[in-house]
Amino acid sequence: DAKTTQPPSMDCAEGRAANLPCNHSTISGNEYVYWYRQIHSQGPQYIIHGLKNNETNEMASLIITEDRKSSTLILPHATLRDTAVYYCIVRAYGGYGNKLVFGAGTILRVKS
Amino acid sequence: DAGVIQSPRHEVTEMGQEVTLRCKPISGHDYLFWYRQTMMRGLELLIYFNNNVPIDDSGMPEDRFSAKMPNASFSTLKIQPSEPRDSAVYFCASSPPGLARETQYFGPGTRLLVL
Repeated sequence: DAKTTQPPSMDCAEGRAANLPCNHSTISGNEYVYWYRQIHSQGPQYIIHGLKNNETNEMASLIITEDRKSSTLILPHATLRDTAVYYCIVRAYGGYGNKLVFGAGTILRVKS
Repeated sequence: DAGVIQSPRHEVTEMGQEVTLRCKPISGHDYLFWYRQTMMRGLELLIYFNNNVPIDDSGMPEDRFSAKMPNASFSTLKIQPSEPRDSAVYFCASSPPGLARETQYFGPGTRLLVL
């Protein structure tokens, strides 16, 4: 599975959009981009995943560049409850064992 | 749905004691995962099961750790004997069959402290 690079931390004002970047320059053609988050003292929570098209759900939007070497998770209107560690993970869809390899992630602090 | 259920939520024990962590996956899910999280090493996959069968236990740190899944609704992770370096938060996760299996649902975790 391709490795990812994320900034260690970011701040965002409450009510503003939070844009979390992820670099995955070695991504392969069959690998998807997944995002999870972990709020303090809780288990990780799935947010969204995508291959090459932009994706949107009730939680967030995922923008993947045309060359697929980077992506951005967008929380359109961040709230204090969105303060968490956000993990960007790249792996093959249906890949061996459904294994998720979590890196250090980005600590997002939403401030009022 | 109640989500993934783990027990106990907190466990404090002394070195050398046996520790058993329990997990009830979401009904209908056929994958079950055990993770460990520490400040030093982050979130690590220990072992996972598919249809109650262990598929990959390469993340299990040593023979003191063992995991079982006797049926589709219950799994245990046992540490015997426990050591202070086993102190961590242990998460159980499950995922459903089919295309939705790409999403893992995590439990609230068990916070283990070995003195």
